[in-house]
Amino acid sequence: DAGVIQSPRHEVTEMGQEVTLRCKPISGHDYLFWYRQTMMRGLELLIYFNNNVPIDDSGMPEDRFSAKMPNASFSTLKIQPSEPRDSAVYFCASRGLADNEQFFGPGTRLTVL
Amino acid sequence: AQRVTQPEKLLSVFKGAPVELKCNYSYSGSPELFWYVQYSRQRLQLLLRHISRESIKGFTADLNKGETSFHLKKPFAQEEDSAMYYCALKAPGNQFYFGTGTSLTVIP
Repeated sequence: DAGVIQSPRHEVTEMGQEVTLRCKPISGHDYLFWYRQTMMRGLELLIYFNNNVPIDDSGMPEDRFSAKMPNASFSTLKIQPSEPRDSAVYFCASRGLADNEQFFGPGTRLTVL
Repeated sequence: AQRVTQPEKLLSVFKGAPVELKCNYSYSGSPELFWYVQYSRQRLQLLLRHISRESIKGFTADLNKGETSFHLKKPFAQEEDSAMYYCALKAPGNQFYFGTGTSLTVIP
């Protein structure tokens, strides 16, 4: 298994543009998490899914952020419109039902100009 | 509410010196605590968990319920220990709360 896969690895966009980040969890994992990493706030949980259903999205900063998981092997995090303060590294992680460990993807480094 | 606190954003120690990365938590039940590490250009990965009571790469962490702490320690730091370290707490409902992270630099 290649582990959690994220794309793109780097994204540079202009303020106001729509940004879509993608994640493929480890096959068989029931949980999928989206995190944002910044120097000031560290690692923040944005939203997580269980069996494709969003369970807690209280960490989503604003209505500009939305996440979907149409099936067990794919999730997206969308920012529309993007703003410079959204610049961060966005991580996706997945976990099996019986696991205590979360497995992280390589992250997407987003820069909004 | 802040559940996990890592008071030091940056920590530098000399090679061979002891190192301690601090982590304090606030949680009413019995917590499950973890340390994750992110080496340069690598993805975040689990270093150790308190329930295993194990030593990984020379690191140990003891859960102190009285002080609500889970500090990460190593008696002799190595250059390859330079990385970003996150303390994490697993809450019921399978949610993880991470601290803000400590960037450790081991000076040769």
